[in-house]
Amino acid sequence: DAMVIQNPRYQVTQFGKPVTLSCSQTLNHNVMYWYQQKSSQAPKLLFHYYDKDFNNEADTPDNFQSRRPNTSFCFLDIRSPGLGDAAMYLCATSSDLDNEQFFGPGTRLTVL
Amino acid sequence: QQQVKQSPQSLIVQKGGISIINCAYENTAFDYFPWYQQFPGKGPALLIAIRPDVSEKKEGRFTISFNKSAKQFSLHIMDSQPGDSATYFCAASNGAGNNRKLIWGLGTSLAVNP
Repeated sequence: DAMVIQNPRYQVTQFGKPVTLSCSQTLNHNVMYWYQQKSSQAPKLLFHYYDKDFNNEADTPDNFQSRRPNTSFCFLDIRSPGLGDAAMYLCATSSDLDNEQFFGPGTRLTVL
Repeated sequence: QQQVKQSPQSLIVQKGGISIINCAYENTAFDYFPWYQQFPGKGPALLIAIRPDVSEKKEGRFTISFNKSAKQFSLHIMDSQPGDSATYFCAASNGAGNNRKLIWGLGTSLAVNP
């Protein structure tokens, strides 16, 4: 089945220790999104790729970076995680033919 | 500034009842209005979506009602079941290509009592 896969599902890191979250998709969608979702809140868009074009949200901290080496994969790098970065990180994809976004299961990040 | 306002924040319904969640938007350029369902520890999943050229869309027990003049849309869940207990988000989108992104409501936590 076509899907959005996120690894790992759970990630524990230490304060200030860089961490990388990964997302892959078999939908062949050209748009990929990274969201941060904290408890009882709506997903907050961090950035998205339209093909290889990177689009950063104005309020996304510099601590968050992303890479998209090919159509199928996208990575979220948190350079120096703080306690406030503990959250669920969601990857989503969409086709440029419509607005529907397909979400992965998320990675739950814990910062100790 | 909250561009999509969702209410209520939480909702408790008895099994078999009707759950109604409302959203209002400001930007008349929005042209796509989805509802997402999210269970704890899972990613959001698209439930149903509507475009402004229709006033209602029904899929099974789920119906979106859309009022373009009032800039409001709502989700109705008929015959609500305990398995419907989840958080529901409305959203709106405009733009195309590189500028397309969803503007989210704050969510409604629905509990359906057996």
